[in-house]
Amino acid sequence: GAGVSQSPSNKVTEKGKDVELRCDPISGHTALYWYRQSLGQGLEFLIYFQGNSAPDKSGLPSDRFSAERTGGSVSTLTIQRTQQEDSAVYLCASSPFRSYNEQFFGPGTRLTVL
Amino acid sequence: SQQGEEDPQALSIQEGENATMNCSYKTSINNLQWYRQNSGRGLVHLILIRSNEREKHSGRLRVTLDTSKKSSSLLITASRAADTASYFCATDITQGAQKLVFGQGTRLTINP
Repeated sequence: GAGVSQSPSNKVTEKGKDVELRCDPISGHTALYWYRQSLGQGLEFLIYFQGNSAPDKSGLPSDRFSAERTGGSVSTLTIQRTQQEDSAVYLCASSPFRSYNEQFFGPGTRLTVL
Repeated sequence: SQQGEEDPQALSIQEGENATMNCSYKTSINNLQWYRQNSGRGLVHLILIRSNEREKHSGRLRVTLDTSKKSSSLLITASRAADTASYFCATDITQGAQKLVFGQGTRLTINP
């Protein structure tokens, strides 16, 4: 079966531009997470979707960051007016139900802001 | 220090030796998980140990959990060059937001 997929795999953009990153979770997984990982660092939690509940946005670093999850499946992370410090790998993960189950990660999108 | 801190930050050993990585955390947990990451991309789940378990094995992996000390260790026996990767522990805290908290990771290098 297909795992979590993310697109694009790499994105280079200019400072000030908006970018959209896409995540396709494993079919049937109700929980979806976005993380950010800067070079050589751990994972920084950004946002968590669980079913039809209101998302946990507590990790979003600024109001330039937003995310949606349509139809309980595909998610899009949008970064507006990108800054150089937004450069990182953005990882998406999905999970069958509660967060204490293992999370299945996508390959990530490497974002470079010039 | 933050929830889910690994040590050492980097470990370099010879192929065939055992590698031990440690993780400490601060708050009560439901479980603790270890993940592996190659080349800064997606993480792969290795093993999950619940708060009422003390030790768990999976192939060449052995995980221990000491809730009194709020610490866990990951042992990789008979290491191979292919084990070279970053290893992260992640905790699911019992209170508050339902998400995993990841540590900064241990970068493991296995020298042939």
